[in-house]
Amino acid sequence: DAKTTQPTSMDCAEGRAANLPCNHSTISGNEYVYWYRQIHSQGPQYIIHGLKNNETNEMASLIITEDRKSSTLILPHATLRDTAVYYCIVRGRNSGGSNYKLTFGKGTLLTVNP
Amino acid sequence: DSGVTQTPKHLITATGQRVTLRCSPRSGDLSVYWYQQSLDQGLQFLIQYYNGEERAKGNILERFSAQQFPDLHSELNLSSLELGDSALYFCASSVDPEGRGLYGYTFGSGTRLTVV
Repeated sequence: DAKTTQPTSMDCAEGRAANLPCNHSTISGNEYVYWYRQIHSQGPQYIIHGLKNNETNEMASLIITEDRKSSTLILPHATLRDTAVYYCIVRGRNSGGSNYKLTFGKGTLLTVNP
Repeated sequence: DSGVTQTPKHLITATGQRVTLRCSPRSGDLSVYWYQQSLDQGLQFLIQYYNGEERAKGNILERFSAQQFPDLHSELNLSSLELGDSALYFCASSVDPEGRGLYGYTFGSGTRLTVV
């Protein structure tokens, strides 16, 4: 699975959009980009995933660059409850064996300030 | 409530002891994954089961074992416990063996194990 690089931490004002970047320059054609978040000591929560097209759901939007080497998770109107560690994960589509697992890195600690 | 149930929520035990952590997956999910999260290691994948069979293995110690039962609940057994085994243990489930369903992986709220 491709390695991802995320900033260690970011701040965002409540009510503003939070844009969380992720670099995955070694991503291959059949690998998806997943985003999860973990609010302090709770279980990680699935947010969104995509292959090459931009995706949107009720939680967030995922923007993937045309070359697929980076992506941005957008929380359109951040609230205090969005304070969490956000993980960007790249994983193969037709993985086999141990690649079924999601490999979590250190993620980005997003702090939403009042 | 994510639909994945983990018990107990907290567990305190002594070194050398054995404990069993239990996980009930979300209704309809056939695949169960176990993760360990300690302060210095982040989330580490331990093992995956799909419909009763072991599917993938990660950094799971030989002192640890797991199984998935016919009703699809899973248990993680930790034996000869050491201080370093203190961590949060999370269970996740997914409908398919690759976790590529609509909801990806659904995680439980975890079991906090403290070894003293």
